[in-house]
Amino acid sequence: EDQVTQSPEALRLQEGESSSLNCSYTVSGLRGLFWYRQDPGKGPEFLFTLYSAGEEKEKERLKATLTKKESFLHITAPKPEDSATYLCAVQMVYSNYQLIWGAGTKLIIKP
Amino acid sequence: DVKVTQSSRYLVKRTGEKVFLECVQDMDHENMFWYRQDPGLGLRLIYFSYDVKMKEKGDIPEGYSVSREKKERFSLILESASTNQTSMYLCASSPKDQSGPGANVLTFGAGSRLTVL
Repeated sequence: EDQVTQSPEALRLQEGESSSLNCSYTVSGLRGLFWYRQDPGKGPEFLFTLYSAGEEKEKERLKATLTKKESFLHITAPKPEDSATYLCAVQMVYSNYQLIWGAGTKLIIKP
Repeated sequence: DVKVTQSSRYLVKRTGEKVFLECVQDMDHENMFWYRQDPGLGLRLIYFSYDVKMKEKGDIPEGYSVSREKKERFSLILESASTNQTSMYLCASSPKDQSGPGANVLTFGAGSRLTVL
């Protein structure tokens, strides 16, 4: 069964304390893996797309990496404004539009 | 700079009522989606539309229908609302082109939180 699991469910960090969020997947064939950020009361906002193992993408304090089994979202020296829920989604090779979504990781950065 | 607009942010309805959730996008996207978001679960696709008057069922279409009469507008209809349809509903759109840096990237609206009593 195709599945996407995100861990941890919630993560509390002090400002400046670097860490990583995990998205593990079991799918029959990966077309792409997506990371989104969701602020309270808003819809998800696109961050990155990764297509193949070894690929990395960066944006400000965030870096996303991909292996054959999982993706990590590394956050370096986070600030309170990085607090949000981070969602991971996987698109399979046999689908033009269907995504399997993880339940998300709620990240809280304390000043 | 609003790109996907959902007409109602908060709705409270009674069991058995008919509910309309409307979504409008201004990016000329061919694809439009309705998702449902519940705590502890990933987003679940209700319906997808890839063109005017075209629709496909997602993972959880039961109890829902959709309408797409114009390219920019995609409506979700709950024919007879039930308490288990209390949820956050998210509309999204994406371009038809599945190549390039924007391929399959979804732009979401702010969501419509529906409570059915």
